[in-house]
Amino acid sequence: QSVLTQPPSVSGAPGQRVTISCTGSSSNIGAGYDVHWYQQLPGTAPKLLIYGNSNRPSGVPDRFSGSKSGTSASLAITGLQAEDEADYYCQSYDSSLSGGVFGTGTKVTVL
Amino acid sequence: QVQLQESGPGLVKPSETLSLTCAVSGYSISSGYYWGWIRQPPGKGLEWIGSIYHSGSTYYNPSLKSRVTISVDTSKNQFSLKLSSVTAADTAVYYCARQIQLDHFDYWGQGTLVTVSS
Repeated sequence: QSVLTQPPSVSGAPGQRVTISCTGSSSNIGAGYDVHWYQQLPGTAPKLLIYGNSNRPSGVPDRFSGSKSGTSASLAITGLQAEDEADYYCQSYDSSLSGGVFGTGTKVTVL
Repeated sequence: QVQLQESGPGLVKPSETLSLTCAVSGYSISSGYYWGWIRQPPGKGLEWIGSIYHSGSTYYNPSLKSRVTISVDTSKNQFSLKLSSVTAADTAVYYCARQIQLDHFDYWGQGTLVTVSS
């Protein structure tokens, strides 16, 4: 029961910039809770990409960046590469559920 | 390096209880952090099932709360998931992960597929 909405798919040519939106509500993102992003390559477990809205774990390229404003958040990928083709999920905390919630997921295709 | 590994039956009959264990290496569960379970039905998105603190406090997804039990065994450095009265809708890849402050998940297991079928 995802309460965070993402576009089903985005695409871009190599080298381009793409953005993925994550829209929530006043009980999650809008309440001030942090947003995190995960990358899931085909057949593998999700990998933490961005935490605390805009922080990159060690080893994540600076081509990936996150931001948050109001009830929404965004993940940007600059200098798109073939290896970036994957599913991306946002995640936050929801006070009405007293737990974590994931976004609906976005498939990034590199043309 | 923190590593997590799920284990348990890959096939469960309808109405029975799904049981999985997550073995943690490279970090002592009793030292802190939350430990969670997340699942992903085939071709679908991620769903948080629940989390447990190293002290034993539990937090469950309200939609699954009546059927879920998560427990921790610090002596074996592992935590477990039980999901009762399963149906085909519970067929999914189940992941265990370390959770920071009931917030983001920084280390994940590789996942294990559990199919509910007679």
